Amino acid sequence: EPEVTQTPSHQVTQMGQEVILRCVPISNHLYFYWYRQILGQKVEFLVSFYNNEISEKSEIFDDQFSVERPDGSNFTLKIRSTKLEDSAMYFCASILRLENAQYFGPGTRLTVL
Amino acid sequence: AQSVTQLGSHVSVSEGALVLLRCNYSSSVPPYLFWYVQYPNQGLQLLLKYTTGATLVKGINGFEAEFKKSETSFHLTKPSAHMSDAAEYFCAVSVVDSNYQLIWGAGTKLIIKP
Repeated sequence: EPEVTQTPSHQVTQMGQEVILRCVPISNHLYFYWYRQILGQKVEFLVSFYNNEISEKSEIFDDQFSVERPDGSNFTLKIRSTKLEDSAMYFCASILRLENAQYFGPGTRLTVL
Repeated sequence: AQSVTQLGSHVSVSEGALVLLRCNYSSSVPPYLFWYVQYPNQGLQLLLKYTTGATLVKGINGFEAEFKKSETSFHLTKPSAHMSDAAEYFCAVSVVDSNYQLIWGAGTKLIIKP
């Protein structure tokens, strides 16, 4: 069964450094999402992406964040200058049609020191 | 705005007993409703979903949920708990006017006692 993959599984970085989290969505899917889950808290929506542009973003997704689909397969989330409070589990999801359930990757645990 | 409330951050049941995890939502438009499960150190796996049609939906691992519009609820049940059901369960809602982003409940950790 096709699945969403994410790399790395765990990323440790220093505060102020840039990080790029990578996702490979299911190949024929058209809509892509990033969510994050701070330890012990709810899963939170960050951004949705369709047709090579952001379709919706949350208040969390400020100028420090960006997303890109550089080559038609990868879907990346960049945090330009990480803060301690960016430490969280980041999940990528994709769907073929909006009314379908989202398929999630295994997540990347980001630790900012 | 949409919101999801899961009653009980932890639910403990004995193996073989009924599992009931509660989820209530608020939405001004007809929602799509989902239950996801997260096993320790793993990602989010879809258990079941309701979009339209039959209000009782069956999912994987023997779980089912019923959409009750009058009660704005989507409670998750399983007749007989198994040790392997120990995990965290998340209820989520998506609606068309939010571009179908998922709005999540806080999660319920299911503990199975032997």
